[in-house]
Amino acid sequence: TQLLEQSPQFLSIQEGENLTVYCNSSSVFSSLQWYRQEPGEGPVLLVTVVTGGEVKKLKRLTFQFGDARKDSSLHITAAQTGDTGLYLCAGGGADGLTFGKGTHLIIQP
Amino acid sequence: EAQVTQNPRYLITVTGKKLTVTCSQNMNHEYMSWYRQDPGLGLRQIYYSMNVEVTDKGDVPEGYKVSRKEKRNFPLILESPSPNQTSLYFCASSPLPPASYEQYFGPGTRLTVT
Repeated sequence: TQLLEQSPQFLSIQEGENLTVYCNSSSVFSSLQWYRQEPGEGPVLLVTVVTGGEVKKLKRLTFQFGDARKDSSLHITAAQTGDTGLYLCAGGGADGLTFGKGTHLIIQP
Repeated sequence: EAQVTQNPRYLITVTGKKLTVTCSQNMNHEYMSWYRQDPGLGLRQIYYSMNVEVTDKGDVPEGYKVSRKEKRNFPLILESPSPNQTSLYFCASSPLPPASYEQYFGPGTRLTVT
């Protein structure tokens, strides 16, 4: 079983601060997806990265896939209270996705 | 509207009483999957299906059964539920291959087994 380690597990910061969430594995993945989940709902896709070294930006969110396709990071600039939620990374394989345990992010006003 | 629906959304049952959680998608996706989500353990795959009549075990299949008789439906069956199956369950679907496409998740089913 391929494993994905996410860090930190919990993060609470003030509005306006920057933050980075990490997703690491010893396995190579064909793709890496990031999802955001709100309480009482299913996860919703934020981005998919497929090429080693790839960087994608989604407004204030920047996603990077490691050169060796084993790790990824999510950087949020000037966090807002609306960014609060559970962030999940998921590695893509032939049978589907392997999910990390998630990072619980709380942005305080 | 493209969506994955699950029923029921909430279920409280007793040990040993067979139950089925239904999952249906209207996007003509080949791939469907069931996950359970537990605090501290994250999302773990139970079973998946690449197409009609093709199902395979995920990481935590013990105590569960699935079937894929039609493309749109992928029910999860608990023949004899036990308290350790108390969890939040999600069904998801996508085109093939799943690694290349967004997984569309249902709203979740919160199951409590007493």
